[in-house]
Amino acid sequence: KAGVTQTPRYLIKTRGQQVTLSCSPISGHRSVSWYQQTPGQGLQFLFEYFSETQRNKGNFPGRFSGRQFSNSRSEMNVSTLELGDSALYLCASSLGAGGASGNTIYFGEGSWLTVV
Amino acid sequence: GIQVEQSPPDLILQEGANSTLRCNFSDSVNNLQWFHQNPWGQLINLFYIPSGTKQNGRLSATTVATERYSLLYISSSQTTDSGVYFCAVIAYNQGGKLIFGQGTELSVKP
Repeated sequence: KAGVTQTPRYLIKTRGQQVTLSCSPISGHRSVSWYQQTPGQGLQFLFEYFSETQRNKGNFPGRFSGRQFSNSRSEMNVSTLELGDSALYLCASSLGAGGASGNTIYFGEGSWLTVV
Repeated sequence: GIQVEQSPPDLILQEGANSTLRCNFSDSVNNLQWFHQNPWGQLINLFYIPSGTKQNGRLSATTVATERYSLLYISSSQTTDSGVYFCAVIAYNQGGKLIFGQGTELSVKP
């Protein structure tokens, strides 16, 4: 079956613009989470959604937001882009709510965002 | 919050050599996974191993939960094993929040 699918794979935006990234989880998975990867900070948790509800949020400013739809697809949005938002954004999905026993988490290929 | 430390940060091997990567974590966990990040950025799931030992081909992993560490063994390394290996954990009562180590960058030379 198809893995976690993220779109777009690569994008370039200008400071001050906003961006929306999309993630389709593995079929049947109800939990989606987002991570940011930068050379300086490594991999950092952004937020987690399960059944359209945000369950967890990382330490990111309010410019970072997300949502999950009834078909479990998720989007994240970054408004008023800054140069420091340039990163690889990774989406992950799992069958059950995160942290549940036996709950393996699978990642997509990521979206590479460059802010100029 | 929980801290995850990986060692060594970098490792260079000749093809065919064996290696051991270590992950230490500072608190009890109910999820521990090892990932390999390929050159295109994707995190490939290697093991889900909050405790015990698992093997998959040339790779195996052991987690000793009571002592808060996990080991990833790579035997007979190949050039395709090159890349960054991450350990990530979820602490109890932290939902689905994976906390990642800084990774071990492995380079296998032919």
